[in-house]
Amino acid sequence: QKEVEQNSGPLSVPEGAIASLNCTYSDRGSQSFFWYRQYSGKSPELIMSIYSNGDKEDGRFTAQLNKASQYVSLLIRDSQPSDSATYLCAFDSSNTGKLIFGQGTTLQVKP
Amino acid sequence: EAGVAQSPRYKIIEKRQSVAFWCNPISGHATLYWYQQILGQGPKLLIQFQNNGVVDDSQLPKDRFSAERLKGVDSTLKIQPAKLEDSAVYLCASSLEPPKVFGPGTRLTVL
Repeated sequence: QKEVEQNSGPLSVPEGAIASLNCTYSDRGSQSFFWYRQYSGKSPELIMSIYSNGDKEDGRFTAQLNKASQYVSLLIRDSQPSDSATYLCAFDSSNTGKLIFGQGTTLQVKP
Repeated sequence: EAGVAQSPRYKIIEKRQSVAFWCNPISGHATLYWYQQILGQGPKLLIQFQNNGVVDDSQLPKDRFSAERLKGVDSTLKIQPAKLEDSAVYLCASSLEPPKVFGPGTRLTVL
């Protein structure tokens, strides 16, 4: 079983729509979860951190965590073409500082 | 605040040759990581340093890869001899605590 599962996509949404990205993880002991955005040819950039169950909002981004279901999601409201990128889900393996990444979901926002 | 610096940005070598990458983390960041990102995949941790000691190198192919962090600051990652499957982007990251800040990466092509 993969430690982090993401649908590789591509996920295509029209400009202005809500993009929903999903991720499941295997380590029940993890307490820290992250979403990184990676533009083509660039390094990953942190966009959201979430540590407790529920929702965390930051501008157009909302991260949702459900530890019982081992599920993390990222919602992007009012999607813009500049949001087109690969979104990587990651968790901190047993809180050791070792980040385990999923393969990423490619998002395409069409004007 | 200056970011994580890496060099070179690109490297092309032939199989069986050796190559070295350099990383300078953000000042004051005790923890330094080397990740390997193969095209289409998420980053995979190769080695984690805390100051100049190794915390985790369980996924480092030690028969060909080596890394060191002298004086707890800069780090070098070496591959000798390189194989075709080592073609990837090598990302250095540093942090005080999760999450991490990534450098721009070194894109290695092995022919």
